[in-house]
Amino acid sequence: GDSVTQMEGPVTLSEEAFLTINCTYTATGYPSLFWYVQYPGEGLQLLLKATKADDKGSNKGFEATYRKETTSFHLEKGSVQVSDSAVYFCALFAYNQGGKLIFGQGTELSVKP
Amino acid sequence: DSGVTQTPKHLITATGQRVTLRCSPRSGDLSVYWYQQSLDQGLQFLIQYYNGEERAKGNILERFSAQQFPDLHSELNLSSLELGDSALYFCASSVAGGQPYEQYFGPGTRLTVT
Repeated sequence: GDSVTQMEGPVTLSEEAFLTINCTYTATGYPSLFWYVQYPGEGLQLLLKATKADDKGSNKGFEATYRKETTSFHLEKGSVQVSDSAVYFCALFAYNQGGKLIFGQGTELSVKP
Repeated sequence: DSGVTQTPKHLITATGQRVTLRCSPRSGDLSVYWYQQSLDQGLQFLIQYYNGEERAKGNILERFSAQQFPDLHSELNLSSLELGDSALYFCASSVAGGQPYEQYFGPGTRLTVT
């Protein structure tokens, strides 16, 4: 079945460092892809999304490009801040499974000042 | 604030008991989703309702059931609780279903089974 694999955390970076969180997926067809973020004690919030190959989603300095050839949707940010500390989830929208979101295991990011 | 409300915020109960978790979707959203988040299973989709009808089912145990009412709020019922049911349960809503609309998540209900 469809699945999402993320790089394991936790990831610890210094403020202003470059961030990459890897995400790859397995799916039949061409799913839509998402990054959600979960701040401590809160629910998930949509960070960005891409609905077709080569689309780039971006928001709050974060970017991810839908790469069909490598089945990847890596999250990047050029300069992280302490306030970016959170858990990041990659997800795909499974059209062929009733339209549910399938999430990766989450990657915890900790940014130190 | 996503506009999705969940009650209660915390729930502590004993094995074998039954609990009901409640969710009110964002105004105007017709679809409601339930997810379970645990350390060992991660974030798992349980079930989706659209305008009162069950639309999709995921890894939901037979001891669990859900429904969506005419006013669109939803309830997740968990019965014969086991220690392994301890988790964070999220409700999310979207304007409709079947398409990759943004899902707005509530703050979650933390269930502890002792």
